[in-house]
Amino acid sequence: TQLLEQSPQFLSIQEGENLTVYCNSSSVFSSLQWYRQEPGEGPVLLVTVVTGGEVKKLKRLTFQFGDARKDSSLHITAAQPGDTGLYLCAGGVYNNNDMRFGAGTRLTVKP
Amino acid sequence: NAGVTQTPKFQVLKTGQSMTLQCAQDMNHEYMSWYRQDPGMGLRLIHYSVGAGITDQGEVPNGYNVSRSTTEDFPLRLLSAAPSQTSVYFCASTFGVFGNTEAFFGQGTRLTVV
Repeated sequence: TQLLEQSPQFLSIQEGENLTVYCNSSSVFSSLQWYRQEPGEGPVLLVTVVTGGEVKKLKRLTFQFGDARKDSSLHITAAQPGDTGLYLCAGGVYNNNDMRFGAGTRLTVKP
Repeated sequence: NAGVTQTPKFQVLKTGQSMTLQCAQDMNHEYMSWYRQDPGMGLRLIHYSVGAGITDQGEVPNGYNVSRSTTEDFPLRLLSAAPSQTSVYFCASTFGVFGNTEAFFGQGTRLTVV
């Protein structure tokens, strides 16, 4: 059982559409991160959120950390083909020096 | 800047063989970790280290050993490879506590055990 559940697992949309992907858990996290991974590469950090209810925006990407620090969402506005990739959420575990990942959402944006 | 370097990029092993996956970072990070990535399961933590001489187990440590003799290097050893260890392996390093600071990943090692 994954500590972090991501949905949907796969998402295929047309260029210009909006989308939201979710990261949910029954556990509380000290922080939550979103990474993007391209084929043959390691994940690359997009954002870190640390405060319950926090919202961060990076250009067309909006990240939200749930009030209870158990869930997060990533919203992309006007998706572009360059947004194609595997989006992974990762949670920092309280009192433990490790980081747990969700299984990811594989996004395909068609021109 | 090299960042995190993993070698080899690809490896095929026979069941029962042993090998070491190498990981080196040049950012003077104290924290390093090894993950395996399997389809539909995301990245699962194998072992991690919070500094030279200190290692600990993650979610899936069985069949793997690690050591951390220097800050820069964190090798992962497979003592007797099994087909269940076929996976893509990633090494990562961070400046601070995992999850609170950016993790830098290597490009991965794709391992096939036949």
